[in-house]
Amino acid sequence: NAGVMQNPRHLVRRRGQEARLRCSPMKGHSHVYWYRQLPEEGLKFMVYLQKENIIDESGMPKERFSAEFPKEGPSILRIQQVVRGDSAAYFCASSSSTAARTAGELFFGEGSRLTVL
Amino acid sequence: GDSVTQMEGPVTLSEEAFLTINCTYTATGYPSLFWYVQYPGEGLQLLLKATKADDKGSNKGFEATYRKETTSFHLEKGSVQVSDSAVYFCALHTGGGNKLTFGTGTQLKVEL
Repeated sequence: NAGVMQNPRHLVRRRGQEARLRCSPMKGHSHVYWYRQLPEEGLKFMVYLQKENIIDESGMPKERFSAEFPKEGPSILRIQQVVRGDSAAYFCASSSSTAARTAGELFFGEGSRLTVL
Repeated sequence: GDSVTQMEGPVTLSEEAFLTINCTYTATGYPSLFWYVQYPGEGLQLLLKATKADDKGSNKGFEATYRKETTSFHLEKGSVQVSDSAVYFCALHTGGGNKLTFGTGTQLKVEL
């Protein structure tokens, strides 16, 4: 079974460019979560999506950031007009359900490391 | 709001030493508590969990006990190995969905 697949693993962008990060959840998982890890900080929740729906985007910056999880294909985290402060590791996680007995049990990808020059 | 505080790293130990990584939390309601581990170059993996007070989670020789009175979930292992070198994250979950609140992570280095 393939795990959560993220690409690219490393991405370099200049200020003002766009960054697109992709995440394919584990087979059979329909819930996707994006987290951001800034240097010297823990992982911060950004957004939770199910197929074609954003369920919770309480951690997303109000501007320049967007996420989608289409019916077909991977989830995409998009950052427009990147700034140096966007440099971070972006982790995607997936789960098969939100049942109470497995609540909090996420499967993480290896992360995408964005560097903004 | 919810928060998790972990001891700062890196923690450097000799093989077979005893390990403790402290974790305390602040949460509304009754959280479930987790330890995740991130080996070099890999994504985070669930190590163990506890869902209610006095529960003990255990896996791969690691243990942590949910202490409501001290709001703590310290990670312990009696004898560490070089292969345990990784970053360890404490996390909590409250409410519905799978949204987790993480600590900053503690890097463990085990030397021969």
